[in-house]
Amino acid sequence: DAGVIQSPRHEVTEMGQEVTLRCKPISGHDYLFWYRQTMMRGLELLIYFNNNVPIDDSGMPEDRFSAKMPNASFSTLKIQPSEPRDSAVYFCASSLGRGGTDTQYFGPGTRLTVL
Amino acid sequence: SQQGEEDPQALSIQEGENATMNCSYKTSINNLQWYRQNSGRGLVHLILIRSNEREKHSGRLRVTLDTSKKSSSLLITASRAADTASYFCATDARSNTGKLIFGQGTTLQVKP
Repeated sequence: DAGVIQSPRHEVTEMGQEVTLRCKPISGHDYLFWYRQTMMRGLELLIYFNNNVPIDDSGMPEDRFSAKMPNASFSTLKIQPSEPRDSAVYFCASSLGRGGTDTQYFGPGTRLTVL
Repeated sequence: SQQGEEDPQALSIQEGENATMNCSYKTSINNLQWYRQNSGRGLVHLILIRSNEREKHSGRLRVTLDTSKKSSSLLITASRAADTASYFCATDARSNTGKLIFGQGTTLQVKP
């Protein structure tokens, strides 16, 4: 298995632009998680899905952030409009079972820089 | 808010020495997991310990869990330069709906 796939690996954009991050989870995994990592705040859970349905989006910082999972093999995290404080590494992870009782497999991350 | 807090924040040792990292958490948990993150990479799962377990081993890793003190420790024995990474504990609090809450991590440097 190729593991969790994320694209792009690096994204540099200007403030105000729309940014779309993509994730392909491991086939057969029912749970998908989006995290953000910064030096100041560490690793934060933004949202997670179970069987393509958003379960908890309480970590989404504001309305500028949105996430979708149209099918079991694809998810997007969109930031519109982007701001410099959104600069971070965004990770997607998937697991076979619930996050606490099962291993989460992380993708390589997307490093986002908003100028 | 952070559920897990690692201690120390940074640790530097010589190859061959043992490394111990600690994690404290605030609420009752179902499980606690440890993950490793190499620089510029995603997190990799190391070990999971359930709330009814006290100790678990995996190769050179030894994890303990003390639910009465709400703390866990990760011991890496006979460290190698390749163990240089950040280590995170993550908890699945019983009040949560299955999500993991990660601590801030311990950065370990193993000098050859």
